[in-house]
Amino acid sequence: GAVVSQHPSWVICKSGTSVKIECRSLDFQATTMFWYRQFPKQSLMLMATSNEGSKATYEQGVEKDKFLINHASLTLSTLTVTSAHPEDSSFYICSAREPSGGYEQFFGPGTRLTVL
Amino acid sequence: AQRVTQPEKLLSVFKGAPVELKCNYSYSGSPELFWYVQYSRQRLQLLLRHISRESIKGFTADLNKGETSFHLKKPFAQEEDSAMYYCALRPGAQKLVFGQGTRLTINP
Repeated sequence: GAVVSQHPSWVICKSGTSVKIECRSLDFQATTMFWYRQFPKQSLMLMATSNEGSKATYEQGVEKDKFLINHASLTLSTLTVTSAHPEDSSFYICSAREPSGGYEQFFGPGTRLTVL
Repeated sequence: AQRVTQPEKLLSVFKGAPVELKCNYSYSGSPELFWYVQYSRQRLQLLLRHISRESIKGFTADLNKGETSFHLKKPFAQEEDSAMYYCALRPGAQKLVFGQGTRLTINP
């Protein structure tokens, strides 16, 4: 089946630094990837839709200058949290849309970000 | 507005008992609905979708457009069904809108 990986699985950083999270589709090409944020014991909230070769589409209330998304290839999308603050601490999950089979989304294992 | 509501945050049933996880949606168009499951320490994965009308791991879900519901049911719960369940709506070919999730615990 389709597999999506994320790296790193967890990261701790100091306030004010930037953190990059990678999302890769391992065995299929994904023209569209999605980035979600999940707070403890809460649901997944879509942050943005990442389209290969074009600008990401951000959901209302998500700062595009804060959460930079780059989808430079058909198998890789990156999310960079710039000038991270403690309130950015969260679980970030990506998914990739597999173009065949009904556009099913396959999810990565998530990245736990802790900002000190 | 597109919205998915799962009224129960927690649901606990005994092994062998029937299970029903509730999901209601709000969407003006023709909806595509899904149930996703997340087992402990595992990633989110698709359980079933309404267009398939299939039974997966004994679970079924029927789309009721009149009641705007897509409840997930299983006649006899098993311990391995303990997990977090999310109902999701796909309003177009793109994004998914998730409900708040229901944590299901099956007691032995």
